[in-house]
Amino acid sequence: KAGVTQTPRYLIKTRGQQVTLSCSPISGHRSVSWYQQTPGQGLQFLFEYFSETQRNKGNFPGRFSGRQFSNSRSEMNVSTLELGDSALYLCASSLGQNEMNTEAFFGQGTRLTVV
Amino acid sequence: AQTVTQSQPEMSVQEAETVTLSCTYDTSENNYYLFWYKQPPSRQMILVIRQEAYKQQNATENRFSVNFQKAAKSFSLKISDSQLGDTAMYFCAFMGVDSGGGADGLTFGKGTHLIIQP
Repeated sequence: KAGVTQTPRYLIKTRGQQVTLSCSPISGHRSVSWYQQTPGQGLQFLFEYFSETQRNKGNFPGRFSGRQFSNSRSEMNVSTLELGDSALYLCASSLGQNEMNTEAFFGQGTRLTVV
Repeated sequence: AQTVTQSQPEMSVQEAETVTLSCTYDTSENNYYLFWYKQPPSRQMILVIRQEAYKQQNATENRFSVNFQKAAKSFSLKISDSQLGDTAMYFCAFMGVDSGGGADGLTFGKGTHLIIQP
């Protein structure tokens, strides 16, 4: 069974630009969560999608948005990039149907550098 | 809001020794899950062990076990017979469960960098 796939693995963008990151969950998983990892703030929860609906949201500005498609693949978008958005963005998938399906499987991440 | 605290930024032990990583958390929720994740240099987050708050018995997975003290809000990870491949960042994480049975996102601690020396 294929794992969680994130593309691209590395990105370099300029301040003010926007970026879209993609995450393909494990087959059969309907929940996709996104996390930002930085040396200063550590790992922070961005949002979670389940069956194409945003189910939970962390404390990030509106420049960070996401969506989920009918095949459970998810995209995350960051608009008007700032230097502080440089981070490793991790995607995690789980069955997510109820509290019992809480094991999250992570992708290898997308390393975003804003210059 | 919940917080997760890992007070040991870095630990170093000899191969085959036993090591314990500390984690405390703060929450007002009664129903939740606790996790330990491992992040090796490849950056891939790997689930090590999971504990349901309603279970009194401590979770065990091969060489990994936890000491879950609910009243003290403490959740430490013990690694027995440590191996070179255990070298990684270890993150303690909390997941609340809402009244509808849905799970929140993971709240992570800052991590402990564990180094296993040959």
